[in-house]
Amino acid sequence: AQSVAQPEDQVNVAEGNPLTVKCTYSVSGNPYLFWYVQYPNRGLQFLLKYITGDNLVKGSYGFEAEFNKSQTSFHLKKPSALVSDSALYFCAVNAPPGNMLTFGGGTRLMVKP
Amino acid sequence: DAGITQSPRHKVTETGTPVTLRCHQTENHRYMYWYRQDPGHGLRLIHYSYGVKDTDKGEVSDGYSVSRSKTEDFLLTLESATSSQTSVYFCAISAVRQGALSHEQFFGPGTRLTVL
Repeated sequence: AQSVAQPEDQVNVAEGNPLTVKCTYSVSGNPYLFWYVQYPNRGLQFLLKYITGDNLVKGSYGFEAEFNKSQTSFHLKKPSALVSDSALYFCAVNAPPGNMLTFGGGTRLMVKP
Repeated sequence: DAGITQSPRHKVTETGTPVTLRCHQTENHRYMYWYRQDPGHGLRLIHYSYGVKDTDKGEVSDGYSVSRSKTEDFLLTLESATSSQTSVYFCAISAVRQGALSHEQFFGPGTRLTVL
């Protein structure tokens, strides 16, 4: 069975500072990893994915994530946080069959001016 | 937004009543999914469909059934609603691009269900 852990319920960062939202996973075989963002009263928006290739993947809104196979991690990063980045972030892993996603519990990112 | 709509967007119902939520997509996607979102649990898969009349259970399928009689609609039914089914329900699709299933999913706006 696959699982995803997001060890921090909330991350606080000042605007302009770099941010990191942590994610670790457990899955047999090669993982397909994803980050989604959810703004208040909205659905989930896809940010980025890792399928294969370069360990550093770039996504929407200036976000990037680093895949580390030895540490089974897929941390989300951004060099300079914006107040508008404040939202709920979910890490997910894909598990066949059926292309099903298993989600972490979510991390609330608060960016303060 | 991948052309996904959900109805109703909000519903309040009483324990023991049946409830049906509808997911409608306009882009002929084969794969559709129902998730529930609860604080601290992220999203958990209830059921999914890989074609018309082809469905399978997810992680938290007890108390739920689904139907897919045409490509564009995927219905989630709570046979007899309980307070533990108070949640936000999301529908999602996976797209097929150039003959291959795209691994990412795209989500609808959600339905907030309250069972009293």
